[in-house]
Amino acid sequence: EAGVAQSPRYKIIEKRQSVAFWCNPISGHATLYWYQQILGQGPKLLIQFQNNGVVDDSQLPKDRFSAERLKGVDSTLKIQPAKLEDSAVYLCASSSLGRGPLQETQYFGPGTRLLVL
Amino acid sequence: ELKVEQNPLFLSMQEGKNYTIYCNYSTTSDRLYWYRQDPGKSLESLFVLLSNGAVKQEGRLMASLDTKARLSTLHITAAVHDLSATYFCAVDMIRDDKIIFGKGTRLHILP
Repeated sequence: EAGVAQSPRYKIIEKRQSVAFWCNPISGHATLYWYQQILGQGPKLLIQFQNNGVVDDSQLPKDRFSAERLKGVDSTLKIQPAKLEDSAVYLCASSSLGRGPLQETQYFGPGTRLLVL
Repeated sequence: ELKVEQNPLFLSMQEGKNYTIYCNYSTTSDRLYWYRQDPGKSLESLFVLLSNGAVKQEGRLMASLDTKARLSTLHITAAVHDLSATYFCAVDMIRDDKIIFGKGTRLHILP
């Protein structure tokens, strides 16, 4: 079974530029998550999709970050314009059932490491 | 506001020793996760704990959950070098749509 795919793996941009990340979850997984992990910290949930609908985006800085999952499969996360403090690893994860009462595991992709200069 | 605190944040230990990592959280949660992260790698799910008193074991790792104390522990038995990694706990509050991670415990096991 193929895992969660992300691209690019690394990206270096200058502040005020735009950048986009792509994620393809495990086939059949309805729920997709984007996390931001700053060096030395735990991941912070940015947005959660259930199929193509947003479940939770309370920690997404909506003035500069946007995400979509148009067909309920793959997803893109965009930052426009980027700031220095956006330097982090952006992790995508997927799960089959979402955050219901049943035991559920999130499967994480390899991440995209972003450096903003 | 939900807060998740792990301790210790750094731990260096000898092979063969036992140790425990603690995860405290501030409000009622619906489930608790433990993850492992190797340097430069993504997160790997270790355990999902759903209810008070839940205990799960995999190899030399055992996780437990005490919802009344708002505490989860990850116990390492007879540590081996391969267990060197950063371990994260994460607390899920389904009703509030929140998943909060701890800062992680960086574990270094000396051969």
